[in-house]
Amino acid sequence: DAGITQSPRHKVTETGTPVTLRCHQTENHRYMYWYRQDPGHGLRLIHYSYGVKDTDKGEVSDGYSVSRSKTEDFLLTLESATSSQTSVYFCAISEFSDRGQAGANVLTFGAGSRLTVL
Amino acid sequence: QKEVEQNSGPLSVPEGAIASLNCTYSDRGSQSFFWYRQYSGKSPELIMSIYSNGDKEDGRFTAQLNKASQYVSLLIRDSQPSDSATYLCASKNYKLSFGAGTTVTVRA
Repeated sequence: DAGITQSPRHKVTETGTPVTLRCHQTENHRYMYWYRQDPGHGLRLIHYSYGVKDTDKGEVSDGYSVSRSKTEDFLLTLESATSSQTSVYFCAISEFSDRGQAGANVLTFGAGSRLTVL
Repeated sequence: QKEVEQNSGPLSVPEGAIASLNCTYSDRGSQSFFWYRQYSGKSPELIMSIYSNGDKEDGRFTAQLNKASQYVSLLIRDSQPSDSATYLCASKNYKLSFGAGTTVTVRA
């Protein structure tokens, strides 16, 4: 997972508490993504960013917010965690956009953050 | 209907055999296709990408694409225990969509 660091790697929290997951990259890639991975669902996109302060929603964005104040950092916040947000969260980066029809983009994933909401 | 469908497995193959993984996608406009490998407890890593109909070979891996049938496959030749992992198929049109993955176990 060279170039991408996620923190914390593991977190247990209680329903209703706020949680922030951090993704830090040293690759200077423009595009950053937050996915969640659940059994039977694969990877589902929560939010993504195409530059500093430029973010957009993915397919499962309800209950999540993101911020990107610097190229290297992309934060995912659960304002009030629920048990349905128990999951493994992966940050990913790419040099090119995963939006748009043309071109290939290769996602490089961080090591993941396992979140348990009790 | 999920955009990308894979058999969840597990697919168990003996060492040295060919493992065949299948994937179908629903968006006929998809142009790019990817196979990611994910070891247990680890993050996904890209192993193959394919954009044109036909076969693409990379070492022991061969990706096959048939856009008319909306079908992508991955063949792993001479399977090794180190190939035991979950393989995620992904397709891209205007957005990237992942399947739930097929778990492969290579038994020695």
